[in-house]
Amino acid sequence: GENVEQHPSTLSVQEGDSAVIKCTYSDSASNYFPWYKQELGKRPQLIIDIRSNVGEKKDQRIAVTLNKTAKHFSLHITETQPEDSAVYFCAAPSPENDYKLSFGAGTTVTVRA
Amino acid sequence: GAGVSQSPRYKVAKRGQDVALRCDPISGHVSLFWYQQALGQGPEFLTYFQNEAQLDKSGLPSDRFFAERPEGSVSTLKIQRTQQEDSAVYLCASSFMGTNEKLFFGSGTQLSVL
Repeated sequence: GENVEQHPSTLSVQEGDSAVIKCTYSDSASNYFPWYKQELGKRPQLIIDIRSNVGEKKDQRIAVTLNKTAKHFSLHITETQPEDSAVYFCAAPSPENDYKLSFGAGTTVTVRA
Repeated sequence: GAGVSQSPRYKVAKRGQDVALRCDPISGHVSLFWYQQALGQGPEFLTYFQNEAQLDKSGLPSDRFFAERPEGSVSTLKIQRTQQEDSAVYLCASSFMGTNEKLFFGSGTQLSVL
């Protein structure tokens, strides 16, 4: 199966600054990389995803970049706001069964006002 | 419905008790997944249904865990003879397509085994 490592485990940023979370994966055949946001006590929600045929995708203040050679992908949040405070999870599919997602351990992001 | 619905929201069980967790996916969603989320960790895959067919149950921790989706909509995850290590949040997710993309998660059932 896929092994997904996520760093850092916690991240504290000043409101308005940027936040970057990085994930590495082990299998070069992986082709789909989603990011989920989970607020305290709530359900994980998909915020952005990228397929392996593109290197970057943006959606307003959120962007994801993918480096297939290095087998890592990153989430970038610009102009952070208090409502960005949450746990963020990256994921990658298992290549032998691509319906099965392996999730990172999560990054707790705290945006300081 | 408006989203994936799970019940109960919280469940406290005595060790050895059987429990049943329910998931109502979004209407028309083909794929249904169960994940287990331990405190401070990411979700871990348990099992996958495509319509009523259980295509993968490789993530179920033991034969005490059983899942079904008999009519291709509502799913139930049953845990027999619960143990303390079963304490976790059990998340259900569904997607329209028969893949892992665009998953919609439920709010989960937080199971505490005493």
